[in-house]
Amino acid sequence: AQSVSQHNHHVILSEAASLELGCNYSYGGTVNLFWYVQYPGQHLQLLLKYFSGDPLVKGIKGFEAEFIKSKFSFNLRKPSVQWSDTAEYFCAVKLYNQGGKLIFGQGTELSVKP
Amino acid sequence: NAGVTQTPKFQVLKTGQSMTLQCAQDMNHEYMSWYRQDPGMGLRLIHYSVGAGITDQGEVPNGYNVSRSTTEDFPLRLLSAAPSQTSVYFCASSTTGGSTEAFFGQGTRLTVV
Repeated sequence: AQSVSQHNHHVILSEAASLELGCNYSYGGTVNLFWYVQYPGQHLQLLLKYFSGDPLVKGIKGFEAEFIKSKFSFNLRKPSVQWSDTAEYFCAVKLYNQGGKLIFGQGTELSVKP
Repeated sequence: NAGVTQTPKFQVLKTGQSMTLQCAQDMNHEYMSWYRQDPGMGLRLIHYSVGAGITDQGEVPNGYNVSRSTTEDFPLRLLSAAPSQTSVYFCASSTTGGSTEAFFGQGTRLTVV
């Protein structure tokens, strides 16, 4: 079965620290890849997306992600986090050949200490 | 620009009651889906639809029914609510193909007592 795995359940960082959140998926077909963010009490918002082309994609608020096809990975990075980045982050995979079915990882809760 | 509209935002049910969570989108998206979000478990797919008249089960379909009579609407029915269905429910829509992301509703926080 298709699945998405996020390596970290809860990450605690100090402001200005660098961030990397891991995401791996298991699906051999064509995929679109996403990172969504959910701030406390809010719905999901798109951070960034990969469809094709340059495997390094940039999103909002200084986030970026790198798609490594050989590793089935799509890790999220940010060079310097801020307190306002405290949120839950979800990796998601859209399965092209299954009508656009979207599968999510378990989520990573990020807490940034001021 | 309404996007995806979910109602209600909050609901408390007694065990055994039934209810329908409404979801409507105005983007002419073929694909619509329902997720439940529980702490530490991410978003789990309940049911999805790739077009009017077509629905399929996701990862956790038991206790839920859906139908898709129009492109715009995708209601989720709880037939006999159970405390295990206490969760936050999100509806999402997107195109089935092409390179577009999913758009989410604001969520429904459901408590079953």
